[in-house]
Amino acid sequence: EAQVTQNPRYLITVTGKKLTVTCSQNMNHEYMSWYRQDPGLGLRQIYYSMNVEVTDKGDVPEGYKVSRKEKRNFPLILESPSPNQTSLYFCASSLFPSQVANEQFFGPGTRLTVL
Amino acid sequence: LAKTTQPISMDSYEGQEVNITCSHNNIATNDYITWYQQFPSQGPRFIIQGYKTKVTNEVASLFIPADRKSSTLSLPRVSLSDTAVYYCLVGDSRNSGGYQKVTFGIGTKLQVIP
Repeated sequence: EAQVTQNPRYLITVTGKKLTVTCSQNMNHEYMSWYRQDPGLGLRQIYYSMNVEVTDKGDVPEGYKVSRKEKRNFPLILESPSPNQTSLYFCASSLFPSQVANEQFFGPGTRLTVL
Repeated sequence: LAKTTQPISMDSYEGQEVNITCSHNNIATNDYITWYQQFPSQGPRFIIQGYKTKVTNEVASLFIPADRKSSTLSLPRVSLSDTAVYYCLVGDSRNSGGYQKVTFGIGTKLQVIP
């Protein structure tokens, strides 16, 4: 089944404790992206990746890191989480980053709470 | 980056047709318009995409006037299961190298009433 998976689905952690949220897709998609969703603010893009070893900042990259060493995986790293990073996180992938907004496939989400 | 404006919320009774309009005054020549649907605690799901005139699929219709400065998502005969947030996106074709930056905004929260 074609899908985007994220792990963990739920995570409660404390300020300053490094964490990684994994994202994997099995559709051989080149383009992957991370979003966070907060009440009243909608979905905001954190980072995106055009392909392996190619990443760029989205609208809210501060406090996050990403890497794209393999086509299928795009982990989101929080080196020193803070309470303002408490949010619902979504990973997404699409076949290619054409010049138009093409169909993205989203993962199930990771609900992160930073105490 | 093409900015979109859509109503924050809408209510509709079951069985009615719902039209959600999105404004995108600075849409670029190569930009497409895409709509997503999101249920609570789930990731958004692609509904429909178009460039001009009218597009229809099994879920919805998308109407785009000639000037492309707005678009309307039409959901025929909604049911309670159509209660969701609907996002209008316009593809950013103007970043160097054609990189894809996508802005979802807060969307339109549709509440279908029995």
